[in-house]
Amino acid sequence: QSVLTQPPSVSAAPGQKVTISCSGSSSNIGNNYVSWYQQLQGTAPKLLIYENNKRPSGIPDRFSGSKSGTSATLGITGLQTGDEADYYCGTWDSSLSAYVFGTGTKVTVL
Amino acid sequence: EVQLVESGGGLVQPGGSLRLSCLPSGFTFSSYTMSWVRQAPGKGLEWVSIISGSGRSTYYADSVKGRFTISRDNSKNTLYLQMNSLRAEDTAVYYCAGGRTFTFSYYYMDVWGKGTTVTVSS
Repeated sequence: QSVLTQPPSVSAAPGQKVTISCSGSSSNIGNNYVSWYQQLQGTAPKLLIYENNKRPSGIPDRFSGSKSGTSATLGITGLQTGDEADYYCGTWDSSLSAYVFGTGTKVTVL
Repeated sequence: EVQLVESGGGLVQPGGSLRLSCLPSGFTFSSYTMSWVRQAPGKGLEWVSIISGSGRSTYYADSVKGRFTISRDNSKNTLYLQMNSLRAEDTAVYYCAGGRTFTFSYYYMDVWGKGTTVTVSS
């Protein structure tokens, strides 16, 4: 049972925007930095966002991250068919002394 | 090219052991905090273990504590995961992943391997 909760799925038409929430607690999101990972079907995860809102080189600015209190959000604008994937949030949990992933969200482009 | 390549997966009987290896290239391995992350068939990502760049700090998920041991040899540029007392629920694809960080609070994984499959079955 993950300590970070995400919606199981979100969907939108091409060109639209989706947001994915990641809910945690003061021991994880509340006091540590959040990262987001994209996993395309049958491939390894890929870093999308780190330190709450920073994008690695090569990640388009259609992807954005934010954090408020004990929750974080990933936003994807201008949705493309290539964005269909599973998305996971992740952060350090200071109480568990462990890295924790969210439950994962499947993005579907209608 | 920045790369991680895992090896050592396979089929093992319950109660058996396996040692996974991860070979990095294209970056300074000793500067990276490394993790093992696994994914059971049809399931989400599960973090397994982490080791600091020096190897002095290690942490484990409760599900593997006391059975798995993470280690690294910076002179050989290799990360390891020794897995003992394996159970059916350890069946998964195991990914090696890492990132540069000053503290675990900032930790993120920007380099990932393609994974190696571990199947625990009689």
